[in-house]
Amino acid sequence: QMQLQESGPGLVMPSQTLSLTCTVSGASISTGTYYWNWIRQPAGKGLEWIGRIYPSGSTNYKPSLKSRVTISADTSKSQVSLRLSSVTAADTAVYFCAIGLHFFDPWGQGTLVTVSS
Amino acid sequence: QSVLTQPPSVSGAPGQRVTISCTGSSSNIGAGYDVHWYQQFPGAAPKLVIYDSSSRPSGVPDRFSGSKSGTSASLAILGLRAEDEADYYCQSYDSSLSGSVFGGGTKVTVL
Repeated sequence: QMQLQESGPGLVMPSQTLSLTCTVSGASISTGTYYWNWIRQPAGKGLEWIGRIYPSGSTNYKPSLKSRVTISADTSKSQVSLRLSSVTAADTAVYFCAIGLHFFDPWGQGTLVTVSS
Repeated sequence: QSVLTQPPSVSGAPGQRVTISCTGSSSNIGAGYDVHWYQQFPGAAPKLVIYDSSSRPSGVPDRFSGSKSGTSASLAILGLRAEDEADYYCQSYDSSLSGSVFGGGTKVTVL
């Protein structure tokens, strides 16, 4: 059974770059049929789709975040990464990785990232 | 402001039927894109309960059902149980944004 686990720094300084990794177990992300997504949720608020990557390397980002977001995959490590540059307090949220093109299933447990000095 | 609009809250007594609406526009639900629904408990990741507007993943009780018409979709919970108390989110694809979009979420309270 496929499981996802997010990891990365829980605290990021304003104007710096947020970097997170999603590690997959129970399946190989090189087996070609999965889109990998990053989704975030500020405390007490709703879900926001950030973007996705297909193992071929093509990506698709939310337009309002596109200038700051990079999603990449390392199939040798079964990992998908998120980089979000020039962060502000508004980027404080729980960040989830999830697989799917039209809908998302399964999800990782999420990791809290706080942007603060 | 979410692209998909949901009521902030709905409530019902145990055993009752509750419905959650999800209203979109001509660039998402109205364009024919399917709607998917997630259940989220506090501190947990969302869980898919309805996909492709009306299909249930394995293990989701048949008390949960989904429908879509025009620019809107609905999630119905029949025979409401205390364990259904959670936040529910709808999700679809938006062609003008070229990406996935979520509703703002609905808190279901079991009275």
